[in-house]
Amino acid sequence: QKEVEQNSGPLSVPEGAIASLNCTYSDRGSQSFFWYRQYSGKSPELIMFIYSNGDKEDGRFTAQLNKASQYVSLLIRDSQPSDSATYLCAVRGGSQGNLIFGKGTKLSVKP
Amino acid sequence: DVKVTQSSRYLVKRTGEKVFLECVQDMDHENMFWYRQDPGLGLRLIYFSYDVKMKEKGDIPEGYSVSREKKERFSLILESASTNQTSMYLCASSDDVDLYGYTFGSGTRLTVV
Repeated sequence: QKEVEQNSGPLSVPEGAIASLNCTYSDRGSQSFFWYRQYSGKSPELIMFIYSNGDKEDGRFTAQLNKASQYVSLLIRDSQPSDSATYLCAVRGGSQGNLIFGKGTKLSVKP
Repeated sequence: DVKVTQSSRYLVKRTGEKVFLECVQDMDHENMFWYRQDPGLGLRLIYFSYDVKMKEKGDIPEGYSVSREKKERFSLILESASTNQTSMYLCASSDDVDLYGYTFGSGTRLTVV
């Protein structure tokens, strides 16, 4: 069974700090990696994707991928209270091409 | 922007009822998916479809069926609703999962009493 693991949290950071969210995956053949943000009671929305080893930056968000370690992370710089949400890591690795999701890390940014 | 529309935001149904959850996307995506999301269990794949009239079982298909008669519409059917099917149901679509991941609908919170 292919798995995606995340620390459930909650992860609490002060406003303006860097939030670091981590994810590991079991399928070494996985090629595409996604981060979704889900506010309470809402559906997930895509915020970042990464395919290659290294870092990918988009505004305050940086995704990091290390395929050798089967590890992907999301950094949120200058965290804001509006970043408080659950962050889902997703990996394309299902037997028929679907995404496999971690259970999510709940982030709380304190003013 | 791609829009994925789920017809109901909240539904309350009785045990034993046949329940239809509708999902429509407006971007001609071939790939459509149904998940349920439960606290502590995360997102679990129920069924998916890569083409019209095509369907594949996901990880938890028991008690569900699907229909895809038109490319834009993917329906989830609970043949005989049970209380353990109380959940948030999320529909998603994608043009290319590798490149774009999924776009989710707003979800249907189903309560079976």
